[in-house]
Amino acid sequence: GNSVTQMEGPVTLSEEAFLTINCTYTATGYPSLFWYVQYPGEGLQLLLKATKADDKGSNKGFEATYRKETTSFHLEKGSVQVSDSAVYFCALSHSGGSNYKLTFGKGTLLTVNP
Amino acid sequence: NAGVTQTPKFQVLKTGQSMTLQCAQDMNHEYMSWYRQDPGMGLRLIHYSVGAGITDQGEVPNGYNVSRSTTEDFPLRLLSAAPSQTSVYFCASSYDDRAKKGYTFGSGTRLTVV
Repeated sequence: GNSVTQMEGPVTLSEEAFLTINCTYTATGYPSLFWYVQYPGEGLQLLLKATKADDKGSNKGFEATYRKETTSFHLEKGSVQVSDSAVYFCALSHSGGSNYKLTFGKGTLLTVNP
Repeated sequence: NAGVTQTPKFQVLKTGQSMTLQCAQDMNHEYMSWYRQDPGMGLRLIHYSVGAGITDQGEVPNGYNVSRSTTEDFPLRLLSAAPSQTSVYFCASSYDDRAKKGYTFGSGTRLTVV
């Protein structure tokens, strides 16, 4: 079936460090790929997305490229801030029969220290 | 511009009690869904609806019922609460099930069953 695997956390970085959170997927066809962010005590917010191979999603300094050859959608940011501390979820949207469903990875907790 | 509104934010139930978690959206979204979030498990789909009068089961539907009598509302019912249903519940909506623009999430309901 369809699934998302993202790197286990927690990840702890110092401010201005480079961030990579790995995400790989298993899916038939051509799913859409997403990164969601969850700040403490809040619901999930869409961070960025890519709907076809080689698309690059970007937002708030974060980037991820849809790599079909490696079935990956790794999240990167060149210089993290304390305010980026949150849980990050990789997800894919796929057709499970007659309807599309969103499948999430288990989430990666990021803590950025000043 | 309320988006997705979930009530209550917190609830404690005794084993065997019933309750309804409310979810309402004001964006005229056709697609609505319920997820539960558990530590180390990510988000798992409970039930979803692609429009008024249409519902279907997700990954973990047992112990939960839903109905969709209007486009705006998608309540989740626990008929006889069990400790295994202790979790954080999120409602999400999107224009359609393909959700290429992402889902809008509510802020969650934290449920404890004792």
